[in-house]
Amino acid sequence: DAKTTQPNSMESNEEEPVHLPCNHSTISGTDYIHWYRQLPSQGPEYVIHGLTSNVNNRMASLAIAEDRKSSTLILHRATLRDAAVYYCILRDVPRLIKAAGNKLTFGGGTRVLVKP
Amino acid sequence: DAEITQSPRHKITETGRQVTLACHQTWNHNNMFWYRQDLGHGLRLIHYSYGVQDTNKGEVSDGYSVSRSNTEDLPLTLESAASSQTSVYFCASSPRGFGEQYFGPGTRLTVL
Repeated sequence: DAKTTQPNSMESNEEEPVHLPCNHSTISGTDYIHWYRQLPSQGPEYVIHGLTSNVNNRMASLAIAEDRKSSTLILHRATLRDAAVYYCILRDVPRLIKAAGNKLTFGGGTRVLVKP
Repeated sequence: DAEITQSPRHKITETGRQVTLACHQTWNHNNMFWYRQDLGHGLRLIHYSYGVQDTNKGEVSDGYSVSRSNTEDLPLTLESAASSQTSVYFCASSPRGFGEQYFGPGTRLTVL
């Protein structure tokens, strides 16, 4: 799996936007960019994913660079509940042989601290 | 509501004992996964299954085994527990293909 690089930690003030960068310079044309987050003492939860175009959902937005070598997860108004470790993960489209599969390879992630 | 559960949530055992961690999901998902997470690290894949009777090794499978006899359950067995297997274990499931993974609440295992 292609590797991602994220900052170890970031701080934000409550109700301000948070921009979480992720570098993936070795991304292949079939790799999707996924984001998961892990709240304290909980299992990870899915946030968002995209391939080439920017994506929005109720939790966040994902901005993907034109060359796809980097992306940014945007939390529009951080709340205290958004304090978590955010993981940027590349996932290849399942190959025909293992078409059922979708393994995730987690890196170190970015720990987001939200200050009231 | 559909869910994924893990039991026990906390377990203390001794070196050399066999331990089984349970994972049960009610989404009828084909895919199930076991990860471990150590302090200060991300999650590492232990074993995974793409359906009944299918099991595959992940990056840290030594000392662990799984079996998939039905869609709902993927128990993880530590054949002879070692102190290096003290960790938090997460189970996850996902539908066939490209779906997102849903994680359980985790089991904290301590091997003394």
